[in-house]
Amino acid sequence: SQTIHQWPATLVQPVGSPLSLECTVEGTSNPNLYWYRQAAGRGLQLLFYSVGIGQISSEVPQNLSASRPQDRQFILSSKKLLLSDSGFYLCAWNSATGELFFGEGSRLTVL
Amino acid sequence: GEDVEQSLFLSVREGDSSVINCTYTDSSSTYLYWYKQEPGAGLQLLTYIFSNMDMKQDQRLTVLLNKKDKHLSLRIADTQTGDSAIYFCAESSDNYGQNFVFGPGTRLSVLP
Repeated sequence: SQTIHQWPATLVQPVGSPLSLECTVEGTSNPNLYWYRQAAGRGLQLLFYSVGIGQISSEVPQNLSASRPQDRQFILSSKKLLLSDSGFYLCAWNSATGELFFGEGSRLTVL
Repeated sequence: GEDVEQSLFLSVREGDSSVINCTYTDSSSTYLYWYKQEPGAGLQLLTYIFSNMDMKQDQRLTVLLNKKDKHLSLRIADTQTGDSAIYFCAESSDNYGQNFVFGPGTRLSVLP
C-alpha cells in the first residue's frame, strides 16, 4: 500500500533563517506531488506541484521554492523565512483514480 | 475562478446527526470530495462522489449531491466525539490534484 511521510512535524525558526521540509512517498512510482499551505482558520492553498523529477510548477509567487530530486521525494525550501511563512504545510500525492492523499503535516512557526 | 464555500462552524450533540453543507461554482465539476482533518494532522479522504450520482452512502456517512444547485452535503449519523474535526469539501473537474479546489473547512464540535 502507498504511504506518504513528511518531516519535521514541528519547526520553530527565526525570521531570516533557511527552511527545508521533506516529503517522501512509498508504494507508488511517478506520482504527482503537491505542497499546500494551510493558514490558521483558512482552507488550503496550493503552493507547488510536480509531475516528475525536476519538474516544478508554482501556483503563487512567494518566498518559498520546491524541488524534486528523486521520483518519490519532494522538498519545500526557503533561503530566508518571513513571519508570513508561518503555517501548516501539507504534502500530498495524486492517485491514478484522482484522489489526493495527504501527509501528516508540518507546522512551521516563524518568530 | 472556481469557488467552494462552507459554513465555518457546526455544533451538534453526541448521538444526533450532523449535516455539513458545501456549495461550489464550477459547473464542470466531475468529482466532489469530503476530507476530515483531526487536530494537528493531515487531511484524510472520507468519501467522494461523481457528478453523475445523487447520493452515496458509506456506513454512517451519506453524501447528497444536488448538481442543479451545485450543493453537496455530508450527513454523519449518530455523531460521536471522535467525529470532532474540520471537514473540507473539495471539487475537481478532472483527475489532477492541481485542479482541486478546497473549501475553507467546517469545524464540527460534538458536545456530550
